[in-house]
Amino acid sequence: TQLLEQSPQFLSIQEGENLTVYCNSSSVFSSLQWYRQEPGEGPVLLVTVVTGGEVKKLKRLTFQFGDARKDSSLHITAAQPGDTGLYLCAGGYSGYALNFGKGTSLLVTP
Amino acid sequence: NAGVTQTPKFRVLKTGQSMTLLCAQDMNHEYMYWYRQDPGMGLRLIHYSVGEGTTAKGEVPDGYNVSRLKKQNFLLGLESAAPSQTSVYFCASRTSRTGELFFGEGSRLTVL
Repeated sequence: TQLLEQSPQFLSIQEGENLTVYCNSSSVFSSLQWYRQEPGEGPVLLVTVVTGGEVKKLKRLTFQFGDARKDSSLHITAAQPGDTGLYLCAGGYSGYALNFGKGTSLLVTP
Repeated sequence: NAGVTQTPKFRVLKTGQSMTLLCAQDMNHEYMYWYRQDPGMGLRLIHYSVGEGTTAKGEVPDGYNVSRLKKQNFLLGLESAAPSQTSVYFCASRTSRTGELFFGEGSRLTVL
């Protein structure tokens, strides 16, 4: 089983601050996805990246895929309370399974 | 649009009892997955299916069985429930190997 390491595990910041969370693996991803999960709900897709070096932006969220396709980062600019949630990265490899990291729990306080 | 529906949403079992969780999707997706989510552990893959009549083991398959007799349904069975199987179970489906996973709302299972 390929392991995905996410860091930090917990993050508590104030509204308006910037933050970055990381997702790393020792194996090469064929694709990588970021999901956000709110309490009592299933995860919801934020973005999919497939090309090494790829950068995607979703409003205040910037996603980067490492050149070697072994790591990814999610940067949030000017965080808002609505960004609070569990952020999960999920890596696809050569097969059909999609493995998730343990997640980063983000709390943004007003 | 229903999307992915899981039943039941809550269940309490005694050790040794059996039960089946049902996942139904109305999006005509080929791939379906069962995950369990425990505090601090993220989502761990139990079993998955790449098409009707096919299943495969994921990261934590022991103590679970699955069946995909119809394309739209993916069943997860616990033959003899154990307290270690207390968890929130999520079903998900997608249309391609790199496509978006659509999740159900989860089924919370407690084994006493």
